[in-house]
Amino acid sequence: QQQVRQSPQSLTVWEGETAILNCSYENSAFDYFPWYQQFPGEGPALLISILSVSDKKEDGRFTIFFNKREKKLSLHIADSQPGDSATYFCAASFLPGTGSNRLTFGKGTKFSLIP
Amino acid sequence: GPKVLQIPSHQIIDMGQMVTLNCDPVSNHLYFYWYKQILGQQMEFLVNFYNGKVMEKSKLFKDQFSVERPDGSYFTLKIQPTALEDSAVYFCASSPSGAGTEVFFGKGTRLTVV
Repeated sequence: QQQVRQSPQSLTVWEGETAILNCSYENSAFDYFPWYQQFPGEGPALLISILSVSDKKEDGRFTIFFNKREKKLSLHIADSQPGDSATYFCAASFLPGTGSNRLTFGKGTKFSLIP
Repeated sequence: GPKVLQIPSHQIIDMGQMVTLNCDPVSNHLYFYWYKQILGQQMEFLVNFYNGKVMEKSKLFKDQFSVERPDGSYFTLKIQPTALEDSAVYFCASSPSGAGTEVFFGKGTRLTVV
């Protein structure tokens, strides 16, 4: 059973456009949702994260919108730049004391810009 | 930023042989992890290690797998014996505290079992 789902599998936009990457999850006990950015040959690096008590988190051009009732979240990349081309993983975990420490990852969205 | 170092970056090994993957976590981090990634797909949790003990492991953490971190040295993942399906990229990670905090990943070790 896929606990964290991402769509689309791949996404291509024009430079300067806003890209929307979607994520949904199964376990309503998940409380912490980080998005990781991974470039080829590198490990994933934390981009931005949100706790389930919030419905929005903004950091520069990156914004997470979170809907706890529907168990969905999305990552918006505003003013897309060539350096944003990467694979983006949505992940989920529990908060301390409520469950395990593991991160459960989605399959990722491969994001690129039209040259 | 903080770096997790993994050695080697690539290892080719004959099926049935033993392999040890080495990780140098971020200093002062207390939690250590191994994740497995196949063909650029999703990361799969293997094991979480804290205070000298395995805290949690997944179904992917087979009996042939073991982890340890002798004082002041690498955090290691040992596979003995290796199988063809163990071919993957193994990522080591560490975090200063447990769930809900930033986890830092290394660049991974690509293991090829032939």
